[in-house]
Amino acid sequence: TQLLEQSPQFLSIQEGENLTVYCNSSSVFSSLQWYRQEPGEGPVLLVTVVTGGEVKKLKRLTFQFGDARKDSSLHITAAQPGDTGLYLCALKGAQKLVFGQGTRLTINP
Amino acid sequence: DTEVTQTPKHLVMGMTNKKSLKCEQHMGHRAMYWYKQKAKKPPELMFVYSYEKLSINESVPSRFSPECPNSSLLNLHLHALQPEDSALYLCASSQVYAVVNTEAFFGQGTRLTVV
Repeated sequence: TQLLEQSPQFLSIQEGENLTVYCNSSSVFSSLQWYRQEPGEGPVLLVTVVTGGEVKKLKRLTFQFGDARKDSSLHITAAQPGDTGLYLCALKGAQKLVFGQGTRLTINP
Repeated sequence: DTEVTQTPKHLVMGMTNKKSLKCEQHMGHRAMYWYKQKAKKPPELMFVYSYEKLSINESVPSRFSPECPNSSLLNLHLHALQPEDSALYLCASSQVYAVVNTEAFFGQGTRLTVV
């Protein structure tokens, strides 16, 4: 059973469009992290969300943590080709960092 | 310095070979990780070292043997691998692992091909 479910798994859109990807679980998280992985690279941390209802912005990226701390979303405004990559939500446990299946995002010029 | 350095970047090995993957960090992190990533899949946790001691083994076959000789180095020794073990092997490190906001820093990975 996958602890973290991400959707969609694949998304291909045109430059300038907006998009939202989701990370859901049946469990409550103490915190959740979002990473981005570009081809040929390891994942890089984008944000950590801790408080239910929390919203964090990183330039054109907006991250939201659900009120019940069981889900999170990533919204990208005016997507650019440089946003292309694998977006991973991750559960940071006491000893583990476990990833969801990821959303593979392609932004076409 | 926020780098995790992995060597080699690419490795091709036969099923009877013995090879080692290396990972190094100088951030003073005391938790280090090995992940395996197959194409179009997320990284899957293999091992966790905490204070140079193995704390988690995610039921990894014994043909993969991790080693943490000191707080900056992490090795993964490979022996008698199978073609299905071909993957990107990622090393990561983080501060004391119990801290909620701890960021994990990843290396670029070693692309392993078993022939």
